Amino acid sequence: AQKVTQAQTEISVVEKEDVTLDCVYETRDTTYYLFWYKQPPSGELVFLIRRNSFDEQNEISGRYSWNFQKSTSSFNFTITASQVVDSAVYFCALSEARGGGADGLTFGKGTHLIIQP
Amino acid sequence: DTAVSQTPKYLVTQMGNDKSIKCEQNLGHDTMYWYKQDSKKFLKIMFSYNNKELIINETVPNRFSPKSPDKAHLNLHINSLELGDSAVYFCASSPRQAYYEQYFGPGTRLTVT
Repeated sequence: AQKVTQAQTEISVVEKEDVTLDCVYETRDTTYYLFWYKQPPSGELVFLIRRNSFDEQNEISGRYSWNFQKSTSSFNFTITASQVVDSAVYFCALSEARGGGADGLTFGKGTHLIIQP
Repeated sequence: DTAVSQTPKYLVTQMGNDKSIKCEQNLGHDTMYWYKQDSKKFLKIMFSYNNKELIINETVPNRFSPKSPDKAHLNLHINSLELGDSAVYFCASSPRQAYYEQYFGPGTRLTVT
């Protein structure tokens, strides 16, 4: 069965610090997809990134970067020079290929990131 | 132009009542989902529909019944509401062909008193 673990329940940093959110996943499939979503205090779920299991290239988008390592089954998310607007709950999620694309996402429990001014 | 919309945004009702939540997407996606987010923020898939056909039905009580009149709509009807049904319910959609990201609606906060 698939599983996503976000061991950090809450992280608090001061603005401009760098912060890394950890995500460890479990799956028996060789083809799977990993995602990060942001849930700000307003409550909506905002898609950040999707990565398939065959693409281990790291990705950078502005202040955001993601490190995917199959050897450790991890897909970590780093925010550089954090800002107060980054304060949110961040979810890591996994989708296996078996469902033909119609499978739901398996979410981790989320990491509540607090950026203090 | 809202991609995935849900109505109502808030729903307060008493135990034992029956209620519905509506979801519509204008993205042309084939697949739609319902997720439940509990008070601890844990998100769990409830149902998945592809072109009006039920694909996934996780261990959800049969008091919950999804209905998809067409591929742009997926409604959730809940019978005999219980206190434990209080949660935020999210609708989402995605293309089926590849494993694209799911686009989520704004959520419906259901409070059962």
